[in-house]
Amino acid sequence: KAGVTQTPRYLIKTRGQQVTLSCSPISGHRSVSWYQQTPGQGLQFLFEYFSETQRNKGNFPGRFSGRQFSNSRSEMNVSTLELGDSALYLCASSVGLSSEKLFFGSGTQLSVL
Amino acid sequence: EDKVVQSPLSLVVHEGDTVTLNCSYEVTNFRSLLWYKQEKKAPTFLFMLTSSGIEKKSGRLSSILDKKELFSILNITATQTGDSAIYLCAGGYNTDKLIFGTGTRLQVFP
Repeated sequence: KAGVTQTPRYLIKTRGQQVTLSCSPISGHRSVSWYQQTPGQGLQFLFEYFSETQRNKGNFPGRFSGRQFSNSRSEMNVSTLELGDSALYLCASSVGLSSEKLFFGSGTQLSVL
Repeated sequence: EDKVVQSPLSLVVHEGDTVTLNCSYEVTNFRSLLWYKQEKKAPTFLFMLTSSGIEKKSGRLSSILDKKELFSILNITATQTGDSAIYLCAGGYNTDKLIFGTGTRLQVFP
């Protein structure tokens, strides 16, 4: 069974640009969560999608958005990039709403110059 | 404010040593405590604990949860260089309400 797949693995952008990250969950998993990881801050919850609906959103500005498609694949978009957005963005999938067990992808390392 | 605190932040040991990693939590809605190992990028699942006092084991790794004192420990015996990683713990209820700690960086030298 394939794991969680995230693309691209690495991205270099400049301030003001926008970026779209993609995540394909494990087959059969309907919940997709996104996290931002920076040194010293740990994993910060961005948002979670289930059945194409955003269930919850973390404490991030509106520049961070996402969506989920009918096949459970998810995309995350960051507009008007800032230097502080440089981070590892991790996507995780789970079977459904009642399980806390997350399966993570390898992440997208975003560098904003 | 909900929080999960891990200690120590960093640990350096030699192969064969036994280590104990700590995780304390203050989470409003709590059901599970999870441990992950992050070697390069993708955190990989180790344990999920929901009941107090019941030890979970996987090879040289074991973990236990104390819901009265609000903490969990992760033990690694006979450490190997392959155990070098960041160990993350998270507590919460449902996937959209998990709070992660900042992790413990473990380095195991030969």
